[in-house]
Amino acid sequence: QKEVEQDPGPLSVPEGAIVSLNCTYSNSAFQYFMWYRQYSRKGPELLMYTYSSGNKEDGRFTAQVDKSSKYISLFIRDSQPSDSATYLCALDQGGKLIFGQGTELSVKP
Amino acid sequence: GAVVSQHPSRVICKSGTSVKIECRSLDFQATTMFWYRQFPKQSLMLMATSNEGSKATYEQGVEKDKFLINHASLTLSTLTVTSAHPEDSSFYICSAGGPSADTQYFGPGTRLTVL
Repeated sequence: QKEVEQDPGPLSVPEGAIVSLNCTYSNSAFQYFMWYRQYSRKGPELLMYTYSSGNKEDGRFTAQVDKSSKYISLFIRDSQPSDSATYLCALDQGGKLIFGQGTELSVKP
Repeated sequence: GAVVSQHPSRVICKSGTSVKIECRSLDFQATTMFWYRQFPKQSLMLMATSNEGSKATYEQGVEKDKFLINHASLTLSTLTVTSAHPEDSSFYICSAGGPSADTQYFGPGTRLTVL
């Protein structure tokens, strides 16, 4: 079993849709949770960072963590074509980041 | 702030040659830098952790004699792929520990193609 599982997609939605991206993890020791956005042939860019269960909102993005279920989510409201990218969840394991496979998102105009 | 650069952005080399990739933190000092490898449509896999002034710590399955890492200063780490082979072709990404211990800032990546 992988430490972090993420549906690779691809996921295609119309502009303006609400997007839900999810990861599950197996190790309850993970304490810090991150979402990165990666455009093609570029390095990942940190979008959201959280360390507690519950929701954290930043503009159109909301990160949700459910430690009891070992489940994290990223919601994107009013999705835009510029949101088209690969989204990776990452969990911190003692300073090392363990990444999910990434979900490829395409937002169609 | 928190900008990390990599050079070169893209390199093509012949099998058997060595390639050096630089990773620099431009506006902060990074005692720790990380090197990742990413194959197409796959996730980032940590190769090694580089600490300034000490030997790098390699992840299981990563050959330390093939992937030489040097962290000579607080703003520069280098990865040298020695005797490169076509199977080493990949996207190599570095990251540097940011001002917060719980975040890392990633470079733009280096695409290596070995012919």
